[in-house]
Amino acid sequence: DGGITQSPKYLFRKEGQNVTLSCEQNLNHDAMYWYRQDPGQGLRLIYYSQIVNDFQKGDIAEGYSVSREKKESFPLTVTSAQKNPTAFYLCASSIEAGRYNEQFFGPGTRLTVL
Amino acid sequence: AQSVTQLDSQVPVFEEAPVELRCNYSSSVSVYLFWYVQYPNQGLQLLLKYLSGSTLVKGINGFEAEFNKSQTSFHLRKPSVHISDTAEYFCAVSDPNSGGYQKVTFGTGTKLQVIP
Repeated sequence: DGGITQSPKYLFRKEGQNVTLSCEQNLNHDAMYWYRQDPGQGLRLIYYSQIVNDFQKGDIAEGYSVSREKKESFPLTVTSAQKNPTAFYLCASSIEAGRYNEQFFGPGTRLTVL
Repeated sequence: AQSVTQLDSQVPVFEEAPVELRCNYSSSVSVYLFWYVQYPNQGLQLLLKYLSGSTLVKGINGFEAEFNKSQTSFHLRKPSVHISDTAEYFCAVSDPNSGGYQKVTFGTGTKLQVIP
């Protein structure tokens, strides 16, 4: 089955540690996205990538980093510079980002920083 | 920049009753509009979308929405809800004329609680 996988589903880290969230898609989509979801705030865009080896900052990129070395993979690193990293993180993909195409979402990773 | 307002953070409704979830967006010449559903601890799933054409849009699971340009609204409706409709619903907007990357702006969500 085609889709988006995120791992792990739950992640616990100590304050000050970097942590990497995995996102893989087998939909052959060019565009991939990372969103952060907090209660009552909807989804906020962290980073997006329209093509391999290219990515752009979203609205809340500070304290995060990404890479796009392969079409199917778009890992997100939450660094110690992120002041409040505890949140639900969603990865998405679409056929392309140049014009609207439906975004398909993964199941999410819930990160808790202790 | 586009913005989306979902006026109700929570909507309780009895099973088999009708429901309307409200969504208003900031004015623009043209827009793309969407409704997504999120079940607990899961990702989002597209319910329906308006890109152009008929203002009444039908989606999955018996939901429909009506695009009202004069009122800048895109309310989601279902004539008879089921327990399985309990979830959080997000309205979203995109500007088709923004060029290049089309950012999708999400509302803050409405939690629908269906009461048996």
